[in-house]
Amino acid sequence: QVQLVESGGDVVQPGRSLRLSCAASGFTFSTYGMHWVRQAPGKGLEWVAVISSDATNEFYADSVKGRFTISRDNFQNTLYLEVKSLTIEDTAVYYCARDGHGSNTGFDYWGQGTLVTVSS
Amino acid sequence: SYVLTQPPSVSVAPGKTAGITCGGDNIGIKSVHWYQQKPGQAPVLVMFQDSDRPSGIPERFSGSNSGNTATLTISRVEVGDEADYFCQVWDNDSDHYVFGTGTKVTVL
Repeated sequence: QVQLVESGGDVVQPGRSLRLSCAASGFTFSTYGMHWVRQAPGKGLEWVAVISSDATNEFYADSVKGRFTISRDNFQNTLYLEVKSLTIEDTAVYYCARDGHGSNTGFDYWGQGTLVTVSS
Repeated sequence: SYVLTQPPSVSVAPGKTAGITCGGDNIGIKSVHWYQQKPGQAPVLVMFQDSDRPSGIPERFSGSNSGNTATLTISRVEVGDEADYFCQVWDNDSDHYVFGTGTKVTVL
C-alpha cells in the first residue's frame, strides 16, 4: 500500500535552516509528481511546492520562493524540502503529498506530517 | 493570485444533506478537488475533478462545479463526517496550487 512518511521536523530558532524528508513506498515513486503542503496551528492548508516526477520542473508558493528548495531522489524513493531563513510564520505541520495519476487529479495520498516550530 | 472562498462553518443534523461551497472567479472552468481532514489527521482526498470519487469514498459524497461556485454535497450525513473540508484547484496562470479557506462541518 502507498505510504509517505515525513521526518526532519524540529524546534529551531528564526533564521536557521532545516531539511525535511519524505520516504515513499508502495508505488513507483519515479513516475509521480510530489508536493509539500503545510498547515500552521489552527489554520488551513497552504500549498508550498511541487516537483515533477523526473525533477525537471519545480514550482513554489510566493511565500517561500527563494528560501525553500524541493528536491527528490528517485533511487532512494525520497522527497526533500530544504527550508532556509526560517521565520515564526513558517511554524507548521509539513505534509508531503502525491500528485494523483493523470493530469490535475488532486493530491491522492498524504503523509502524517512533520512539525516545524520556529521559536526564539 | 487566485482565491478560493469557503464558508467557515456548516451545521447539519444526522441524516440530512450538507452542502459546502467553494467560490472562485470562473471556477467552473477549473478542476476542483476536495479534501476531508479530521482533527489530528492528514487530509484525505474525497472528490477530484469536480465530481469523481476516489476508491473507498462513499456514494453519499458528490460534487458539482459551475460558474463561480463549486459544491461538495454530503447526503445522509453521519457523525463520522464531522471534519474540516478544503477545496483546491490548480491555477494554470501562475502554476500554483490553491486551497480554499476551509469549512468546518459540525453534525448536530
